[in-house]
Amino acid sequence: EDQVTQSPEALRLQEGESSSLNCSYTVSGLRGLFWYRQDPGKGPEFLFTLYSAGEEKEKERLKATLTKKESFLHITAPKPEDSATYLCAVTSGNDMRFGAGTRLTVKP
Amino acid sequence: EADIYQTPRYLVIGTGKKITLECSQTMGHDKMYWYQQDPGMELHLIHYSYGVNSTEKGDLSSESTVSRIRTEHFPLTLESARPSHTSQYLCASSFGGYGTGELFFGEGSRLTVL
Repeated sequence: EDQVTQSPEALRLQEGESSSLNCSYTVSGLRGLFWYRQDPGKGPEFLFTLYSAGEEKEKERLKATLTKKESFLHITAPKPEDSATYLCAVTSGNDMRFGAGTRLTVKP
Repeated sequence: EADIYQTPRYLVIGTGKKITLECSQTMGHDKMYWYQQDPGMELHLIHYSYGVNSTEKGDLSSESTVSRIRTEHFPLTLESARPSHTSQYLCASSFGGYGTGELFFGEGSRLTVL
């Protein structure tokens, strides 16, 4: 069965303090790994899709990378508006499995 | 910004009441989904539809039912709500098939059953 584990569960950073979020996965034939951002009381918002090991994608202060076993979401010089829960999901093409998310808080 | 809308955003009802959560999208997507999300937990798929008159149950057992009479509309109904149904319900749609592309989510309906 496909599994997704995100760590840490919660992360508190000072503004400008760079860090990384981890998404470890086991899936029979990865077809895609997705990162979403979810603000409190809202639905998830799509950020990135990664398809193969070695692939990287960037958007503003966020950079997602992918290996054969895990993905990292790197946050460079975060700002308070980056505070949110970040969700990771994997698909083998027939199913999509979500992780429980990392709740990021960036203090000014 | 995704054009997918859910109503009501918040609902507090008593046990035994019938409720319908509405979901509409204006993107012309054939594929639509209902997820259940509890605090600190992963999203679980409870229903999905690949088009009009197509509905399937997801991997999380649910006492709710869905219908898909129009492409843009995918309502979820609970015939008799119970406190165990208290949760956040998220509607989503996609251009590609399930598991092949990004999902566009609504803002969610938070249900509290007393």
